[in-house]
Amino acid sequence: SAVISQKPSRDICQRGTSLTIQCQVDSQVTMMFWYRQQPGQSLTLIATANQGSEATYESGFVIDKFPISRPNLTFSTLTVSNMSPEDSSIYLCSVVGTAFNYGYTFGSGTRLTVV
Amino acid sequence: QQQVKQSPQSLIVQKGGISIINCAYENTAFDYFPWYQQFPGKGPALLIAIRPDVSEKKEGRFTISFNKSAKQFSLHIMDSQPGDSATYFCAASKETSGSRLTFGEGTQLTVNP
Repeated sequence: SAVISQKPSRDICQRGTSLTIQCQVDSQVTMMFWYRQQPGQSLTLIATANQGSEATYESGFVIDKFPISRPNLTFSTLTVSNMSPEDSSIYLCSVVGTAFNYGYTFGSGTRLTVV
Repeated sequence: QQQVKQSPQSLIVQKGGISIINCAYENTAFDYFPWYQQFPGKGPALLIAIRPDVSEKKEGRFTISFNKSAKQFSLHIMDSQPGDSATYFCAASKETSGSRLTFGEGTQLTVNP
């Protein structure tokens, strides 16, 4: 299965600032997704990162708040903009390879605390 | 997002016992049903997955039972061990389209020594 490197692993940020999270995969993948996991909760999809085009956002998530880039088949970034304490969560990158046999692989996540 | 309902929310089992976690889904177009295991501070890791053309899949101590007519599937952990203590998530997707996973609410499993 694909190996994902997600950075940073954790950060403490001031309210009103922005944080960019990076997701690097060791092989070309078909699909890349960004999820949010609030403390003690399940995973909620933020958006699908599309290579070479704008991301597809789920209901309740907007590009101005969570801009996403995917310049190639192995790399994506998620920015959490104008942060508030409610944005404190774990943010996870997930990928599906060109061969689906290995299913969806997740990065180790970025634990964000907004103060 | 289409719902996947998971129960119980938490489960305590003695070492050597059987842990059973249940999930139910709504969307009959789902054709891929994985279970993920998540330890604190880690991302979810794929444990086992099933497709609707089979009713059961076993990998070591982990078994998925799938009931297509009832739109339910469950995870059985045989001979549960303290190292199995983690949060378990069921999920579903339409694999053939490579669409995103819809997750259940999660089950916090504690296996006592």
